[in-house]
Amino acid sequence: NAGVTQTPKFRVLKTGQSMTLLCAQDMNHEYMYWYRQDPGMGLRLIHYSVGEGTTAKGEVPDGYNVSRLKKQNFLLGLESAAPSQTSVYFCASSVIQGNNQPQHFGDGTRLSIL
Amino acid sequence: AQRVTQPEKLLSVFKGAPVELKCNYSYSGSPELFWYVQYSRQRLQLLLRHISRESIKGFTADLNKGETSFHLKKPFAQEEDSAMYYCALSVPSSGSARQLTFGSGTQLTVLP
Repeated sequence: NAGVTQTPKFRVLKTGQSMTLLCAQDMNHEYMYWYRQDPGMGLRLIHYSVGEGTTAKGEVPDGYNVSRLKKQNFLLGLESAAPSQTSVYFCASSVIQGNNQPQHFGDGTRLSIL
Repeated sequence: AQRVTQPEKLLSVFKGAPVELKCNYSYSGSPELFWYVQYSRQRLQLLLRHISRESIKGFTADLNKGETSFHLKKPFAQEEDSAMYYCALSVPSSGSARQLTFGSGTQLTVLP
């Protein structure tokens, strides 16, 4: 049981390039999330999804797009990468019912924009 | 807007000493609080949640609504406790969804 899997683990891009980060979960979770982690700032929510075909903006959505075409996958896209998007990106998922449900995290993707 | 503050970026204690990682929050509603931990080369994982009133790996955390705090404590620190600790506040977003707001984290080092 892999849990939450993120690909790729590392990537270096040039400014203006585009790319897609993939998150896959095998726990049949309804909710999925994308965060970015920057030094001294903890994790900040970029976008999230409450189910297949739905997405919503988080705290820092600008410059990113997401899609949830399948329940198990949540894609994060950068259309035109900027150096300010250099960060570690984490995907997470959680069940829908009840409060106080924990989020399950992937290993992260370290992205550098030159 | 909600906010989580962890005032200590770095904290070092000796093995066997008590440890307290501070967390303060600001939120107008009823808070749901968590502690997450990230050990070296491992993924972020849940340590404990306030609703469960549980002790995990010897750690406890009590919600103090008067002081808006959720400090993490352990009476006798072990070297394997060395990790990055994040306090997180869960708040409602759209519909039935909730989202986590994280503090900036505290890197705990337990010295031999």
